[in-house]
Amino acid sequence: DAGVTQSPTHLIKTRGQQVTLRCSPKSGHDTVSWYQQALGQGPQFIFQYYEEEERQRGNFPDRFSGHQFPNYSSELNVNALLLGDSALYLCASSRPGQADYGYTFGSGTRLTVV
Amino acid sequence: QKEVEQNSGPLSVPEGAIASLNCTYSDRGSQSFFWYRQYSGKSPELIMSIYSNGDKEDGRFTAQLNKASQYVSLLIRDSQPSDSATYLCAVSGNNRKLIWGLGTSLAVNP
Repeated sequence: DAGVTQSPTHLIKTRGQQVTLRCSPKSGHDTVSWYQQALGQGPQFIFQYYEEEERQRGNFPDRFSGHQFPNYSSELNVNALLLGDSALYLCASSRPGQADYGYTFGSGTRLTVV
Repeated sequence: QKEVEQNSGPLSVPEGAIASLNCTYSDRGSQSFFWYRQYSGKSPELIMSIYSNGDKEDGRFTAQLNKASQYVSLLIRDSQPSDSATYLCAVSGNNRKLIWGLGTSLAVNP
């Protein structure tokens, strides 16, 4: 049973550039959430997608946008990169209706903005 | 007041001892409570979930929830060096959005 898959694993971008991160959820999961985790911090919620729509959003600027495809995979796009966007970006999937709402995380994408 | 609070640690315990990790939350409507373990440079891994008051045991791990006190804890019995990691408390309500604590760093010394 494939878990959550994220790509790429590492990425280096220059300030001002744009980046796209990708996530394939665990088999049977249809909800995808994206998190940003800075060094030494807990994960910060960016947004959640379900049925191809953004359902919830955290306190992140509009530079952060996303998309969910019919196969439940998702993309996170960040425009006009800032140095402060350097972080581990985590994707987590879950399945509505299950008693256990625990999320399954991918291994993350380490983004470095220089 | 932060929504989910944890002591940052580090919490240091000898091998074989009981490690006790604590978490408080501010939203009384919270319904689901999770403990995740995160090794350095890795993604969080779900180790325990709890939804009702009381204790829930799974192997060496016991989660304890007290909704009246807005408090959830994780006990690790017979701590092993491999338990050394950061432990993240996460809380969610009906909207299924997880609110995370900053994590407690645990070091188990051989």
